[in-house]
Amino acid sequence: DPKIIQKPKYLVAVTGSEKILICEQYLGHNAMYWYRQSAKKPLEFMFSYSYQKLMDNQTASSRFQPQSSKKNHLDLQITALKPDDSATYFCASSQVRQGSEVFFGKGTRLTVV
Amino acid sequence: GEKVEQHQSTLSVREGDSAVINCTYTDTASSYFPWYKQEAGKSLHFVIDIRSNVDRKQSQRLTVLLDKKAKRFSLHITATQPEDSAIYFCAASISNRIFFGDGTQLVVKP
Repeated sequence: DPKIIQKPKYLVAVTGSEKILICEQYLGHNAMYWYRQSAKKPLEFMFSYSYQKLMDNQTASSRFQPQSSKKNHLDLQITALKPDDSATYFCASSQVRQGSEVFFGKGTRLTVV
Repeated sequence: GEKVEQHQSTLSVREGDSAVINCTYTDTASSYFPWYKQEAGKSLHFVIDIRSNVDRKQSQRLTVLLDKKAKRFSLHITATQPEDSAIYFCAASISNRIFFGDGTQLVVKP
């Protein structure tokens, strides 16, 4: 029974289009994250949110915008998609305190053609 | 920022042997070091962690060693089994940001 739900599981998008990756967690956590995994960069930290506020942004491009409409949601909007954006995007969550175990969702595999 | 390195991209061992995966980190502010396992086509699962106030932690067949002076930590797996085959990621954490190494593909041959 997955506690971190990511939708969709697979996504194919056309270059230049916009997509939203959905993430919901039911672990009662107040910190949520996005990571990206590709052949070029095995596991890359993108964003962290704490109590629905952006804490850290390691993504250079403004094409990536996290959106937190509820405290257990952290969606990722990606605009002007490029083939280089093809990757698996993992949502994760944890308690806010330092050193808390981070739990990962199953990922959304995005392919940009 | 923190940079975590795993120098072994692949490690192959025989079933029953021990496996050791080594990592280094750069930022002395890192205080939490988790390890994750990723099986083919699946997500990451936590396996073990160590905090900077200790230098060794054991959980069944897994032991993590931390050398803060050398900024080095390692995962030791004893009595390896085929189901241990996976990619193992080490990580270092500062203020809830976790930085991962590039992963080590562990292959346990029967």
